[in-house]
Amino acid sequence: GAVVSQHPSRVICKSGTSVKIECRSLDFQATTMFWYRQFPKQSLMLMATSNEGSKATYEQGVEKDKFLINHASLTLSTLTVTSAHPEDSSFYICSATRTANSPLHFGNGTRLTVT
Amino acid sequence: AQSVTQLDSHVSVSEGTPVLLRCNYSSSYSPSLFWYVQHPNKGLQLLLKYTSAATLVKGINGFEAEFKKSETSFHLTKPSAHMSDAAEYFCVVSEERYGQNFVFGPGTRLSVLP
Repeated sequence: GAVVSQHPSRVICKSGTSVKIECRSLDFQATTMFWYRQFPKQSLMLMATSNEGSKATYEQGVEKDKFLINHASLTLSTLTVTSAHPEDSSFYICSATRTANSPLHFGNGTRLTVT
Repeated sequence: AQSVTQLDSHVSVSEGTPVLLRCNYSSSYSPSLFWYVQHPNKGLQLLLKYTSAATLVKGINGFEAEFKKSETSFHLTKPSAHMSDAAEYFCVVSEERYGQNFVFGPGTRLSVLP
């Protein structure tokens, strides 16, 4: 159990366009979902914490207008990278958890390449 | 505040030899501790977790970790490395009083030599 599905796994887009990444908890209700960005050979950088039905909490330095997060239900959160630029190219990973101190369950990540 | 230190950025072992990946944490409350593994271009997979039950925790793929409060450590071990164990490993700490706040270590890359 505790499967998190993230789509797409890879996306290539042109500068100026927007890209939406979906994160779904398939067999449990996720009270909280997290979005991370990972640079090569580095740890995960938390971008934002998302609770169902409320606005996401963004980490310092993360532009909320550029990285739009919607958590419309207990099983779905989306990250939209708006007006993408080449510097937004990265590996984005979502995770979900049932309750505080429950383990995080991760999606398989999305490799975004902006040309 | 919580923090996690993984003392080795890279560990290299020969196939069939023991694995030790070190993790030390800082926490002023009763923490939950986790080890995750990440293979290239993949998400993270939970190996094992400690949540104030038995201090020796057994996980998947033959891994285990021991919670030592006096040493604030949660080292990950495996008796015999397999080629498929080559990956990045992350130690993570969480404290309930901080809500759902998970702090990641910087990661340790494990290489397994034939």
